Amino acid sequence: QQQVKQSPQSLIVQKGGISIINCAYENTAFDYFPWYQQFPGKGPALLIAIRPDVSEKKEGRFTISFNKSAKQFSLHIMDSQPGDSATYFCAASHALDDKIIFGKGTRLHILP
Amino acid sequence: DGGITQSPKYLFRKEGQNVTLSCEQNLNHDAMYWYRQDPGQGLRLIYYSQIVNDFQKGDIAEGYSVSREKKESFPLTVTSAQKNPTAFYLCASSIGGGYTEAFFGQGTRLTVV
Repeated sequence: QQQVKQSPQSLIVQKGGISIINCAYENTAFDYFPWYQQFPGKGPALLIAIRPDVSEKKEGRFTISFNKSAKQFSLHIMDSQPGDSATYFCAASHALDDKIIFGKGTRLHILP
Repeated sequence: DGGITQSPKYLFRKEGQNVTLSCEQNLNHDAMYWYRQDPGQGLRLIYYSQIVNDFQKGDIAEGYSVSREKKESFPLTVTSAQKNPTAFYLCASSIGGGYTEAFFGQGTRLTVV
């Protein structure tokens, strides 16, 4: 059962452009929504995360937008750079049992 | 240095053999996880453990087994019952209690021939 749906599967963006990746969740018990970045041959690493009590969180060029009523959240990468080329995963979890569910990932390629 | 160590990085086994993947952490984390990564499938949860001597099945536990005898160790056994075991396996840990970052190992690529 896919509890976190992520789109698009792949994305190509010009250098300097905005990259947008979307996720939707089903379980309203989720209360923590992180994004992870993975480079080839490596394990994922936390990029940015948000709790449902805020609608937006920004860290440098990375912003999470969160819509609780729609059960959707998205990652925006401003001024995208070739070094941002990686696979991005959204995830969701809740404090009750520590279970972390990931989306299927988005392969992002930034054209130089 | 603190972190999660998975070994080996590459593993080859013959079909029908059980194989155990190692995962050790020195972060003093309570929660540990095993994920399987296949192209286009994302990270699928196999098992996770919130505390020593306790673990729960994830979404794709069939054909796998785990143990959590020590806080720092969470080995995964891929049994001969797993129909398609060739994959990239990732171990992770977190402090637990929600709202916390999961730290991942470098992964083990298992190939069954």
